[in-house]
Amino acid sequence: GDSVTQMEGPVTLSEEAFLTINCTYTATGYPSLFWYVQYPGEGLQLLLKATKADDKGSNKGFEATYRKETTSFHLEKGSVQVSDSAVYFCALTSSFGGYSTLTFGKGTMLLVSP
Amino acid sequence: DVKVTQSSRYLVKRTGEKVFLECVQDMDHENMFWYRQDPGLGLRLIYFSYDVKMKEKGDIPEGYSVSREKKERFSLILESASTNQTSMYLCASTQTGRYGYTFGSGTRLTVV
Repeated sequence: GDSVTQMEGPVTLSEEAFLTINCTYTATGYPSLFWYVQYPGEGLQLLLKATKADDKGSNKGFEATYRKETTSFHLEKGSVQVSDSAVYFCALTSSFGGYSTLTFGKGTMLLVSP
Repeated sequence: DVKVTQSSRYLVKRTGEKVFLECVQDMDHENMFWYRQDPGLGLRLIYFSYDVKMKEKGDIPEGYSVSREKKERFSLILESASTNQTSMYLCASTQTGRYGYTFGSGTRLTVV
């Protein structure tokens, strides 16, 4: 079945450092790809998305490019802030018994220190 | 913006109790989902529904049931709560899935 693999955390960075969180996937067909963010004690918020190969999703300084040739969707940000500390989930649309559902990676915790 | 509202942020229930978790969305979405989130396991799909009165099992349906009597409401039912059902429960909805799901704030359930 479809699956998503994320780098394990926690990722610990100083403020203004460059961030990369790796995400690779296995899927049949042409899934849409997503990054969700979860702040402490809250639900998941959609951070960015890409619906076809070579699309770049971006939001709040975060970016990710849909690379079909490497089956990857790595999340990047040029300069992180303390407020970016959260858990980040990579996800894809997948077929489940003929219906479309979301399959998630296990999440990567990001900790940013001042 | 679409809103998905889960009725409780925190719940504490006793082993063997019947537990109802409620979820309401306000954007007329066809599809609704229940996930549970556990440390180190990520999010796992329990049940989903693509229409009123329709339901499909996800990856981990054992010990759960669902009800969707109205389009906007999707309820998760723990028939007889057990301690291994202590978890964060997240409800989500979408119209097509292609452009993303909207999640509620979650219900943290503790079964003692």
